Amino acid sequence: DTGVSQDPRHKITKRGQNVTFRCDPISEHNRLYWYRQTLGQGPEFLTYFQNEAQLEKSRLLSDRFSAERPKGSFSTLEIQRTEQGDSAMYLCASSPEAARESYGYTFGSGTRLTVV
Amino acid sequence: GDSVTQMEGPVTLSEEAFLTINCTYTATGYPSLFWYVQYPGEGLQLLLKATKADDKGSNKGFEATYRKETTSFHLEKGSVQVSDSAVYFCALFSGGYNKLIFGAGTRLAVHP
Repeated sequence: DTGVSQDPRHKITKRGQNVTFRCDPISEHNRLYWYRQTLGQGPEFLTYFQNEAQLEKSRLLSDRFSAERPKGSFSTLEIQRTEQGDSAMYLCASSPEAARESYGYTFGSGTRLTVV
Repeated sequence: GDSVTQMEGPVTLSEEAFLTINCTYTATGYPSLFWYVQYPGEGLQLLLKATKADDKGSNKGFEATYRKETTSFHLEKGSVQVSDSAVYFCALFSGGYNKLIFGAGTRLAVHP
């Protein structure tokens, strides 16, 4: 297992288009998190899954955002009708359920979205 | 709610200088504390952690001690290198919120 993988690394899209990002967590981790990071800021929580169940969504996640984790493995984050304000780095992370408080998270390299 | 406050950057140092990056937190209960590092264009890497009061986390010459009385977790390194240039994030695992909460990050630039 090579860690958390995210695809694509970079995405440039026109305003109004839909985009989808993929995250493959560490295989034995049953928790998966999505964060958003804008320039000069720390990561902000968007949503998380335990196995296939989406347990929490941030108020940052507008109706244009949807995340799925079918079968509790990889996850996708879709943004519909993109806006310039969606431009950011989207980070995925995973952790084991057990000892999650002390483990921290393993992050992927992120997907950088630029909306033009 | 739970939060993390870091000193503003950028911090600019000469190689072999001593580094301190301040981090304080607000949380209910006793959170686990973490430092992450982010190199340009990359995701976050866990640098070190501490899970209870007076614990010292250490890795790659970096250290931080969990101080409950001052609610702090300051990052230190005795002699920085150019390769340490990156953004450093302090974070806590909030049991109440069941997630990692990050500070805004501190950019470190080390020049020869």
